[in-house]
Amino acid sequence: AQSVTQPDIHITVSEGASLELRCNYSYGATPYLFWYVQSPGQGLQLLLKYFSGDTLVQGIKGFEAEFKRSQSSFNLRKPSVHWSDAAEYFCAVGAGKAAGNKLTFGGGTRVLVKP
Amino acid sequence: DGGITQSPKYLFRKEGQNVTLSCEQNLNHDAMYWYRQDPGQGLRLIYYSQIVNDFQKGDIAEGYSVSREKKESFPLTVTSAQKNPTAFYLCASGRPGLDQPQHFGDGTRLSIL
Repeated sequence: AQSVTQPDIHITVSEGASLELRCNYSYGATPYLFWYVQSPGQGLQLLLKYFSGDTLVQGIKGFEAEFKRSQSSFNLRKPSVHWSDAAEYFCAVGAGKAAGNKLTFGGGTRVLVKP
Repeated sequence: DGGITQSPKYLFRKEGQNVTLSCEQNLNHDAMYWYRQDPGQGLRLIYYSQIVNDFQKGDIAEGYSVSREKKESFPLTVTSAQKNPTAFYLCASGRPGLDQPQHFGDGTRLSIL
Protein backbone atom coordinates (compact mmCIF):
# COMPACT_ATOMS: atom_id res chain seq x y z
CA ALA A 1 0.00 0.00 0.00
CA GLN A 2 1.18 3.48 -0.72
CA SER A 3 2.02 5.94 2.03
CA VAL A 4 3.34 9.47 2.43
CA THR A 5 5.32 10.88 5.32
CA GLN A 6 5.86 14.54 6.04
CA PRO A 7 8.33 14.51 8.93
CA ASP A 8 7.86 18.13 9.97
CA ILE A 9 4.54 19.00 11.60
CA HIS A 10 5.39 22.69 11.99
CA ILE A 11 8.02 24.91 10.41
CA THR A 12 8.63 28.55 11.29
CA VAL A 13 10.50 30.67 8.80
CA SER A 14 11.31 34.36 8.56
CA GLU A 15 9.86 36.36 5.70
CA GLY A 16 12.37 36.46 2.86
CA ALA A 17 14.14 33.30 3.98
CA SER A 18 14.15 30.07 2.02
CA LEU A 19 11.75 27.21 2.76
CA GLU A 20 12.04 23.48 2.25
CA LEU A 21 9.30 21.02 3.14
CA ARG A 22 10.10 17.34 3.21
CA CYS A 23 8.03 14.55 1.74
CA ASN A 24 8.87 10.85 1.61
CA TYR A 25 6.65 8.36 -0.16
CA SER A 26 6.25 4.62 -0.45
CA TYR A 27 4.80 3.29 -3.69
CA GLY A 28 5.49 0.16 -5.70
CA ALA A 29 5.41 1.67 -9.18
CA THR A 30 6.22 4.99 -10.78
CA PRO A 31 4.71 7.52 -8.40
CA TYR A 32 2.43 10.36 -9.36
CA LEU A 33 3.22 13.07 -6.83
CA PHE A 34 1.45 16.26 -5.89
CA TRP A 35 1.87 19.17 -3.51
CA TYR A 36 -1.20 21.04 -2.31
CA VAL A 37 -1.57 24.11 -0.09
CA GLN A 38 -4.45 24.83 2.28
CA SER A 39 -5.29 28.15 3.89
CA PRO A 40 -7.24 28.00 7.17
CA GLY A 41 -10.85 26.88 6.69
CA GLN A 42 -10.40 26.47 2.96
CA GLY A 43 -10.02 23.67 0.46
CA LEU A 44 -6.77 22.52 -1.11
CA GLN A 45 -5.07 24.23 -4.03
CA LEU A 46 -2.65 22.40 -6.30
CA LEU A 47 0.87 23.83 -6.24
CA LEU A 48 2.57 21.39 -8.59
CA LYS A 49 2.67 17.80 -9.76
CA TYR A 50 5.19 15.27 -11.00
CA PHE A 51 4.59 12.15 -13.05
CA SER A 52 7.53 11.85 -15.45
CA GLY A 53 10.32 13.77 -17.16
CA ASP A 54 12.42 16.47 -15.56
CA THR A 55 12.81 15.73 -11.87
CA LEU A 56 12.71 19.42 -10.96
CA VAL A 57 9.15 20.65 -11.25
CA GLN A 58 8.04 24.27 -11.22
CA GLY A 59 4.72 25.23 -9.72
CA ILE A 60 2.63 28.25 -8.90
CA LYS A 61 3.48 30.97 -6.39
CA GLY A 62 7.21 30.50 -6.94
CA PHE A 63 7.36 26.96 -5.57
CA GLU A 64 9.39 24.09 -6.98
CA ALA A 65 9.85 20.47 -6.03
CA GLU A 66 12.52 17.89 -6.78
CA PHE A 67 11.78 14.21 -7.28
CA LYS A 68 14.54 11.90 -6.07
CA ARG A 69 13.73 8.28 -6.77
CA SER A 70 16.77 6.96 -4.88
CA GLN A 71 15.59 8.70 -1.73
CA SER A 72 11.84 8.24 -2.33
CA SER A 73 11.49 11.95 -1.75
CA PHE A 74 9.64 14.86 -3.30
CA ASN A 75 10.66 17.93 -1.33
CA LEU A 76 9.04 21.30 -1.87
CA ARG A 77 11.12 24.49 -1.93
CA LYS A 78 10.72 28.23 -2.22
CA PRO A 79 13.73 30.56 -2.37
CA SER A 80 12.11 33.52 -0.59
CA VAL A 81 9.02 33.18 1.55
CA HIS A 82 6.26 35.80 1.66
CA TRP A 83 3.89 36.31 4.59
CA SER A 84 1.07 35.00 2.39
CA ASP A 85 2.80 31.59 2.24
CA ALA A 86 1.69 30.87 5.79
CA ALA A 87 -0.56 27.85 5.36
CA GLU A 88 -0.61 24.07 5.62
CA TYR A 89 1.09 22.06 2.91
CA PHE A 90 0.24 18.52 1.90
CA CYS A 91 2.19 16.06 -0.17
CA ALA A 92 0.20 13.31 -1.91
CA VAL A 93 0.85 10.25 -4.06
CA GLY A 94 -1.65 9.08 -6.68
CA ALA A 95 -2.70 5.47 -7.09
CA GLY A 96 -3.49 5.58 -10.78
CA LYS A 97 -6.68 5.11 -12.78
CA ALA A 98 -7.17 1.43 -11.95
CA ALA A 99 -7.48 2.43 -8.31
CA GLY A 100 -9.74 5.36 -9.04
CA ASN A 101 -6.94 7.91 -9.10
CA LYS A 102 -7.05 7.85 -5.34
CA LEU A 103 -4.70 10.14 -3.51
CA THR A 104 -2.90 9.24 -0.32
CA PHE A 105 -1.93 12.30 1.68
CA GLY A 106 0.77 12.98 4.18
CA GLY A 107 -0.11 14.45 7.54
CA GLY A 108 0.71 17.97 6.44
CA THR A 109 3.26 20.61 7.45
CA ARG A 110 2.04 23.88 8.90
CA VAL A 111 4.20 26.83 7.91
CA LEU A 112 4.37 29.93 10.06
CA VAL A 113 6.03 33.05 8.65
CA LYS A 114 7.70 35.52 10.99
CA PRO A 115 7.87 39.16 9.93
CA ASP B 1 -16.41 30.06 -13.18
CA GLY B 2 -16.13 26.31 -12.91
CA GLY B 3 -15.60 24.81 -9.54
CA ILE B 4 -16.81 22.69 -6.66
CA THR B 5 -19.43 23.94 -4.26
CA GLN B 6 -19.83 22.42 -0.83
CA SER B 7 -22.69 23.32 1.45
CA PRO B 8 -23.28 24.15 4.16
CA LYS B 9 -19.98 25.60 5.35
CA TYR B 10 -20.83 24.76 8.97
CA LEU B 11 -23.12 21.99 10.16
CA PHE B 12 -24.18 20.80 13.56
CA ARG B 13 -25.43 17.33 14.36
CA LYS B 14 -27.34 16.09 17.33
CA GLU B 15 -26.66 12.67 18.79
CA GLY B 16 -28.41 9.95 16.81
CA GLN B 17 -29.08 12.16 13.83
CA ASN B 18 -28.10 11.65 10.20
CA VAL B 19 -26.86 14.67 8.28
CA THR B 20 -26.12 15.14 4.60
CA LEU B 21 -23.30 17.22 3.16
CA SER B 22 -23.75 18.55 -0.34
CA CYS B 23 -21.10 18.58 -3.08
CA GLU B 24 -21.78 19.92 -6.57
CA GLN B 25 -19.28 20.39 -9.40
CA ASN B 26 -19.58 22.05 -12.80
CA LEU B 27 -16.18 20.98 -14.08
CA ASN B 28 -17.62 18.04 -16.04
CA HIS B 29 -15.38 15.68 -14.08
CA ASP B 30 -16.20 11.99 -14.04
CA ALA B 31 -14.65 11.21 -10.67
CA MET B 32 -15.60 12.60 -7.29
CA TYR B 33 -14.19 12.01 -3.82
CA TRP B 34 -14.96 12.64 -0.18
CA TYR B 35 -12.20 13.16 2.38
CA ARG B 36 -12.22 13.65 6.10
CA GLN B 37 -9.60 15.93 7.65
CA ASP B 38 -8.60 15.80 11.30
CA PRO B 39 -5.79 17.87 12.83
CA GLY B 40 -2.40 16.26 12.27
CA GLN B 41 -3.80 13.37 10.22
CA GLY B 42 -3.94 14.83 6.76
CA LEU B 43 -6.83 13.80 4.57
CA ARG B 44 -8.37 10.34 4.65
CA LEU B 45 -10.54 9.01 1.85
CA ILE B 46 -14.13 8.14 2.78
CA TYR B 47 -15.75 7.25 -0.55
CA TYR B 48 -15.08 7.84 -4.21
CA SER B 49 -16.99 7.52 -7.44
CA GLN B 50 -15.50 7.16 -10.90
CA ILE B 51 -18.80 7.21 -12.77
CA VAL B 52 -22.48 7.91 -12.25
CA ASN B 53 -24.36 5.22 -10.29
CA ASP B 54 -21.15 3.65 -9.06
CA PHE B 55 -19.00 4.30 -6.00
CA GLN B 56 -16.40 2.55 -3.86
CA LYS B 57 -15.43 2.63 -0.22
CA GLY B 58 -12.29 4.41 0.75
CA ASP B 59 -10.17 3.87 3.83
CA ILE B 60 -12.69 5.04 6.44
CA ALA B 61 -16.17 4.38 5.00
CA GLU B 62 -17.81 3.02 8.16
CA GLY B 63 -20.62 5.26 9.36
CA TYR B 64 -20.91 7.10 6.04
CA SER B 65 -22.98 6.64 2.90
CA VAL B 66 -23.01 8.28 -0.53
CA SER B 67 -24.96 8.35 -3.77
CA ARG B 68 -24.03 9.35 -7.29
CA GLU B 69 -27.24 9.79 -9.27
CA LYS B 70 -25.94 12.70 -11.32
CA LYS B 71 -22.50 13.46 -12.66
CA GLU B 72 -22.50 16.85 -10.98
CA SER B 73 -23.50 15.75 -7.51
CA PHE B 74 -21.98 13.48 -4.85
CA PRO B 75 -23.71 13.96 -1.47
CA LEU B 76 -22.27 12.42 1.68
CA THR B 77 -24.48 11.28 4.57
CA VAL B 78 -22.92 11.04 8.00
CA THR B 79 -25.04 8.49 9.81
CA SER B 80 -25.62 7.99 13.51
CA ALA B 81 -23.29 4.99 13.27
CA GLN B 82 -20.35 7.36 12.88
CA LYS B 83 -19.40 7.84 16.52
CA ASN B 84 -16.84 10.58 16.03
CA PRO B 85 -18.14 12.73 13.19
CA THR B 86 -16.60 16.03 14.25
CA ALA B 87 -14.19 16.91 11.43
CA PHE B 88 -13.63 19.00 8.34
CA TYR B 89 -15.03 17.31 5.23
CA LEU B 90 -13.63 17.98 1.79
CA CYS B 91 -15.10 17.05 -1.55
CA ALA B 92 -12.96 16.78 -4.67
CA SER B 93 -13.37 15.93 -8.33
CA GLY B 94 -11.04 14.95 -11.14
CA ARG B 95 -10.64 13.71 -14.68
CA PRO B 96 -9.48 10.20 -15.55
CA GLY B 97 -5.74 10.04 -16.03
CA LEU B 98 -2.76 9.22 -13.94
CA ASP B 99 -1.47 12.78 -13.97
CA GLN B 100 -4.77 14.52 -13.39
CA PRO B 101 -4.92 16.40 -10.10
CA GLN B 102 -8.00 16.57 -7.95
CA HIS B 103 -9.83 19.86 -7.50
CA PHE B 104 -11.21 20.62 -4.06
CA GLY B 105 -14.17 22.44 -2.62
CA ASP B 106 -13.89 24.75 0.39
CA GLY B 107 -15.11 22.15 2.85
CA THR B 108 -17.84 21.64 5.44
CA ARG B 109 -17.06 21.71 9.14
CA LEU B 110 -19.28 19.31 11.06
CA SER B 111 -19.65 19.56 14.82
CA ILE B 112 -21.67 17.67 17.41
CA LEU B 113 -24.11 19.53 19.62
